[in-house]
Amino acid sequence: DAGVTQSPTHLIKTRGQQVTLRCSPISGHKSVSWYQQVLGQGPQFIFQYYEKEERGRGNFPDRFSARQFPNYSSELNVNALLLGDSALYLCAAGTGREGGYTFGSGTRLTVV
Amino acid sequence: TQLLEQSPQFLSIQEGENLTVYCNSSSVFSSLQWYRQEPGEGPVLLVTVVTGGEVKKLKRLTFQFGDARKDSSLHITAAQTGDTGLYLCAGSGGATNKLIFGTGTLLAVQP
Repeated sequence: DAGVTQSPTHLIKTRGQQVTLRCSPISGHKSVSWYQQVLGQGPQFIFQYYEKEERGRGNFPDRFSARQFPNYSSELNVNALLLGDSALYLCAAGTGREGGYTFGSGTRLTVV
Repeated sequence: TQLLEQSPQFLSIQEGENLTVYCNSSSVFSSLQWYRQEPGEGPVLLVTVVTGGEVKKLKRLTFQFGDARKDSSLHITAAQTGDTGLYLCAGSGGATNKLIFGTGTLLAVQP
């Protein structure tokens, strides 16, 4: 059973550009959440999707958007990139019920 | 705003020593999880605790959830070099079950 897969693993973008990050959850896991982890800090919640509907949104600007597809995979989009968006972006899959989440290895985004 | 504070932030110990990491909040969580994260990887779930006062053991690791479900601790007995990593506590609750992560404890176990 494959774990949560994220692509790409690393990405370098320039300020003002747009980026799309992708996540494929474990089979049967209908909940997908996105987190941003800046170096030296714990992950910060960005979005949660369940059954293709947005269930929660963290304190991030409207430049951040996401969606979930019928196969439960998900994309995170960030527009008008800023230097401060440089971080490890993590995708977490869950069943939607109480319990732990399975995280992907993340996408390391560097904005220059 | 729900916040989880972890202490200590950094810990460097010798192999064989014991240690305890604390996770504290002023908020109540319906469940609390502990994760371990290695460089370049995502967090890996160690345990989930849901009942106030609950104690769970995972080999040399002992996890405790406070009676009021506001705090937790992780105790490692006879630390090994393989225990090195970033330890994160995370609380969840509410409609979304989103995770609120703690500030993290970076553990280095020296041989």
